[in-house]
Amino acid sequence: QLVLTQSPSASASLGASVKLTCTLSSGHTNYAIAWHQQQPEKGPRYLMKLNSDGSHNKGDGIPDRFSGSSSGAERYLTISSLQSEDEADYYCQTWSTGIQVFGGGTKLSVL
Amino acid sequence: EVYLVESGGGLVQPGGSLRLSCAASGFTFSDHFMDWVRQVPGKGLEWVGRIRNKANSYTTDYAASVKGRFTVSRDDSKNSLYLHINSLKTEDTAVYYCVRTAASYFFDYWGQGTLVTVSS
Repeated sequence: QLVLTQSPSASASLGASVKLTCTLSSGHTNYAIAWHQQQPEKGPRYLMKLNSDGSHNKGDGIPDRFSGSSSGAERYLTISSLQSEDEADYYCQTWSTGIQVFGGGTKLSVL
Repeated sequence: EVYLVESGGGLVQPGGSLRLSCAASGFTFSDHFMDWVRQVPGKGLEWVGRIRNKANSYTTDYAASVKGRFTVSRDDSKNSLYLHINSLKTEDTAVYYCVRTAASYFFDYWGQGTLVTVSS
């Protein structure tokens, strides 16, 4: 079964960096994913597509502070130079024939 | 610039029906697969269903949780996407988002959402 696992919460200080993790289920460790950001009271926004080799394609207007990387079943979203507006929920998404799957989301707090 | 604007949400009684609409602009609507995703207030994102483009025979897929009650349709002449919901349940209460699918099958643009509340 295709499942994405995310930690429910994370926190980091203003100006620091944070690395969020999305883990693919066994048997699906070579899948690409997409990262989406949802700021409070807003709709989600696409950040990037992240491949198993770590290559990624960011959405329109996404700052260079956002980057992605991969290792095995893990897909990472790194946000550097954290700003207050980065406080948001972050979701990973993947897909297979006939289905789309989301992780449970990580709530990022910027201290 | 890509815009997706949902409408049609509101308060509906259990057992009722509803049609949500999504008006698309800023891109060639007919080229893209389109999806609906919902979010129960305070909870995570849940994929609802997809409709492919004409080249893929407008075929549809649905999440197991909604199959048989939800129908995704589109009108390429109007650049519009629709979600028909029948036999509404209280657990269908959610914000419903219209989402564009990129060529590589991930979601690359989201609407602002429309809230559906199912309550007597």
